[in-house]
Amino acid sequence: EVHLLESGGDLVQPGGSLRLSCTASGFTFTDYAMTWVRQAPGQGLEWVSAISPYGNYIYYTPSVEGRFTFSRDNSRNTLYLQMHSLRAADTAVYFCAKNFGEGLAFYDSWGQGTLVTVSA
Amino acid sequence: EIVLTQSPGNVSLSPGERVTLSCRASQNVARNYLAWYQQKSGQAPRLLMYGASIRATGIPDRFSGSGSGTDFTLTISRLEPEDFAVYYCQHYVHMPPSPLTFGGGTKVEIK
Repeated sequence: EVHLLESGGDLVQPGGSLRLSCTASGFTFTDYAMTWVRQAPGQGLEWVSAISPYGNYIYYTPSVEGRFTFSRDNSRNTLYLQMHSLRAADTAVYFCAKNFGEGLAFYDSWGQGTLVTVSA
Repeated sequence: EIVLTQSPGNVSLSPGERVTLSCRASQNVARNYLAWYQQKSGQAPRLLMYGASIRATGIPDRFSGSGSGTDFTLTISRLEPEDFAVYYCQHYVHMPPSPLTFGGGTKVEIK
């Protein structure tokens, strides 16, 4: 059974930094692209970033480009989302999600999410 | 970037009723690359459909998807109590050179 577990969410001041982690199990990690999707309180889903199976291709939504860095450690089956220069608009539950395959960008498994709150 | 518009925004129905949710795209969705997700309160989304009409693993057959081009629908033939949730559509591509988009969601509430 696929299991994704996010951690690292916290309350952080505007301009601060945070690193989220997502540990995966139950599937061959290196066979799949992975993605972060976020959801602001009471709002819909927003795609944030995606990474190819070996991390050689990484994509970001424009609002986080240059501030967020998505990486993966395939030896640990773990994803990381390093977030800098955080803004109030980054406040959201951050979900990691497993792509259906190496290339197709829809998601057949999701973690339970971790809450990031950016506030003074 | 394709914009997805879901309608209605909210719908109130009783268990056993049939519901059809709409997802309209601003441009043609190539290869019917359209997915649907269900999200219950406080939970992660769950994949229901992909390729517009292919049920994901473990999804009951009361859920069906249809459509092509710019107009897609998700139908629940007989609402069960566990089906009351928010439903999102998503346009997907192969690994994206540009951001992916989700629809704004339709909330299916118990009347």
